[in-house]
Amino acid sequence: NAGVTQTPKFQVLKTGQSMTLQCAQDMNHNSMYWYRQDPGMGLRLIYYSASEGTTDKGEVPNGYNVSRLNKREFSLRLESAAPSQTSVYFCASSPTRATGELFFGEGSRLTVL
Amino acid sequence: DQQVKQNSPSLSVQEGRISILNCDYTNSMFDYFLWYKKYPAEGPTFLISISSIKDKNEDGRFTVFLNKSAKHLSLHIVPSQPGDSAVYFCAASANRDDKIIFGKGTRLHILP
Repeated sequence: NAGVTQTPKFQVLKTGQSMTLQCAQDMNHNSMYWYRQDPGMGLRLIYYSASEGTTDKGEVPNGYNVSRLNKREFSLRLESAAPSQTSVYFCASSPTRATGELFFGEGSRLTVL
Repeated sequence: DQQVKQNSPSLSVQEGRISILNCDYTNSMFDYFLWYKKYPAEGPTFLISISSIKDKNEDGRFTVFLNKSAKHLSLHIVPSQPGDSAVYFCAASANRDDKIIFGKGTRLHILP
């Protein structure tokens, strides 16, 4: 059982380039999330989607866009990457609303030069 | 403003002793609290949770205590084992909201 799959696992970008992080879950979960992890900052919520067709801003949404393509897939797009977006990005899914039990992917390490 | 606070960046505990990790929160609307464990180069994994209607939840070696009046929760691990060395994140959510907010984490070192 794959769980939550993120691609790519590693990416290096130049400032101003764009890219999309892909996330897919095979657990039929309703809610999906994107977090970033930075040293000393913990996990910060970028965007989340409570159900197919809905998305909402989290704590640090600036510079990002998301698409909940269908129930399985939730992508995160950087339109014009900045060095401040260098981070490890985690996608997560949850079977129920707001109970907090998240299933995380392995993470995508992004470096913006 | 940080809504979930873990004020200890790291903690070292002797193997076999009790590990106590602390977490404070500021949002009185939070009604569900969780602990996650994270190893390097892996995603966090769920450890244990507690609803605001309880003050204690136990699962094997792990116990979470909630003090609502103090807006404080703690995770007790006893006895501590080498495999417990990891970063532990406290998280919280409010039933009316799908946001799940994490603290900065505490790195636990279990010493032999």
